[in-house]
Amino acid sequence: EVQLVESGGGLVQPGRSLRISCTGSGFTFSDSVMSWFRQAPGKGLEWVGFIRSQALGGTAQYAASVRGRFTLSRDDPRSIAYLQLNSLKVEDTAVYFCARGLPTTGVAYWGQGTLLTVSS
Amino acid sequence: SYELTQPLSVSVALGQTANIPCTGNKFETRSVQWYQQKPGQAPVLVISRDTNRPSGIPERFSGSTSRSTATLTISGAQGEDEADYYCQVWDSSTAEVVFGGGTQLTVL
Repeated sequence: EVQLVESGGGLVQPGRSLRISCTGSGFTFSDSVMSWFRQAPGKGLEWVGFIRSQALGGTAQYAASVRGRFTLSRDDPRSIAYLQLNSLKVEDTAVYFCARGLPTTGVAYWGQGTLLTVSS
Repeated sequence: SYELTQPLSVSVALGQTANIPCTGNKFETRSVQWYQQKPGQAPVLVISRDTNRPSGIPERFSGSTSRSTATLTISGAQGEDEADYYCQVWDSSTAEVVFGGGTQLTVL
C-alpha cells in the first residue's frame, strides 16, 4: 500500500525558514516523481512544485509564487522528499501536501498534509 | 497566465446527474484532471487525462472536454459525493500546474 506521511509543519515567524519532510513507503521511491501542493485555510488547491526522479535528471520545477524561496530535494535511500521553505510570509500559511506522481497526467497518491502557520 | 474557471457551487438531487463545468482555453491541447476533496482530507483523483477513471473510482464519475469547457459528470449522485471538486491542467507554455477555484457539490 502506498503511504505518504508529511511532517515538520508548525508555527513559524515571518522571515524564518522551515523544512517539511515527506516519507514514502509501499512503492519504489527512487523511481517516483514527487509533487508538492498547498491549500490555504478555506481556499483552493495550489501547486508548489515537483522533483523528478534521478533517472529523469532529479531536477525540480516550481510555481512562480514560490520560485526562489522554496527548494525541493530528495533522499532516495531513506525514501524522503523535502520541501525547504525560506523567507516565509504570512500568505504561506497553508496545509502542505506531498504526492507521488506528475501533475501533468494526474496525481493519485497524496499524503494527509501538514499545517504550516506563519505568524508573529 | 492560464486560468480555469469553475462555479462556486452546484446542487443536485439525490440520484440525479450532476455536471460540474470548468472553462478555459485550448482543452484540445491540454490534459484535464479532476480531484474530489472532502473536508479535512487529501484530494482524490477521480478523472485523469480528460476521461480516464483511476482504479477504485465509481463508474458514475466521468469526464469530457470540448474546446473551451471540461465537464465532470456524476451520474446518479450519492450523498458521499458531497465534496469540493477541482479541475486541473498542466500549462506547458508557462510550465505550471493550474487549478480551477473549486466547486462545492451539494447533494439534496
